[in-house]
Amino acid sequence: GESVGLHLPTLSVQEGDNSIINCAYSNSASDYFIWYKQESGKGPQFIIDIRSNMDKRQGQRVTVLLNKTVKHLSLQIAATQPGDSAVYFCAENPSGDMRFGAGTRLTVKP
Amino acid sequence: DTGVSQDPRHKITKRGQNVTFRCDPISEHNRLYWYRQTLGQGPEFLTYFQNEAQLEKSRLLSDRFSAERPKGSFSTLEIQRTEQGDSAMYLCASSPNDSEAFFGQGTRLTVV
Repeated sequence: GESVGLHLPTLSVQEGDNSIINCAYSNSASDYFIWYKQESGKGPQFIIDIRSNMDKRQGQRVTVLLNKTVKHLSLQIAATQPGDSAVYFCAENPSGDMRFGAGTRLTVKP
Repeated sequence: DTGVSQDPRHKITKRGQNVTFRCDPISEHNRLYWYRQTLGQGPEFLTYFQNEAQLEKSRLLSDRFSAERPKGSFSTLEIQRTEQGDSAMYLCASSPNDSEAFFGQGTRLTVV
């Protein structure tokens, strides 16, 4: 069936390094993708989104890349900080309801 | 308006009891979503509303679950005859049509 999934369940990086979190999707009809950050005990927080007519979108310290050919999405965080430690989810929104993957836990080491 | 508000934040109930959760979306957001999240998993879609119309329901939403959004503003999610497997975080989100959704802090349900 259609699904959204992540390549790695955990990622540990050194403070100051760049982080890359990957996501694979299988619904070729998906045209809108969102990255969320979730800290413990809180609801998911919107980070950045991208529509299928774009390959790249940049925000503050974050960049999302979309490769529609291989149905792959990535989130790049520049100069990772301790406050970036959280679980990151990608979500696709093909028809109005968002579908989430299981998430990647990012841990930033000081 | 400071965001999506959910009430209560925590609920402990005995198995077999009914519970109701409330969600107040961001003003003028016409889409409202309910999700369920268990530990270590991503949010699972339950249902969503476009204004007062319930447009889609997941197969996770058994007949013990019912959601309403009577006036197109706040929404309630009721679970009847709760089971231990219903223990989870219930998340509400709202969005202005087909764009990013903003989540509330969730209601954590524990069924004992």
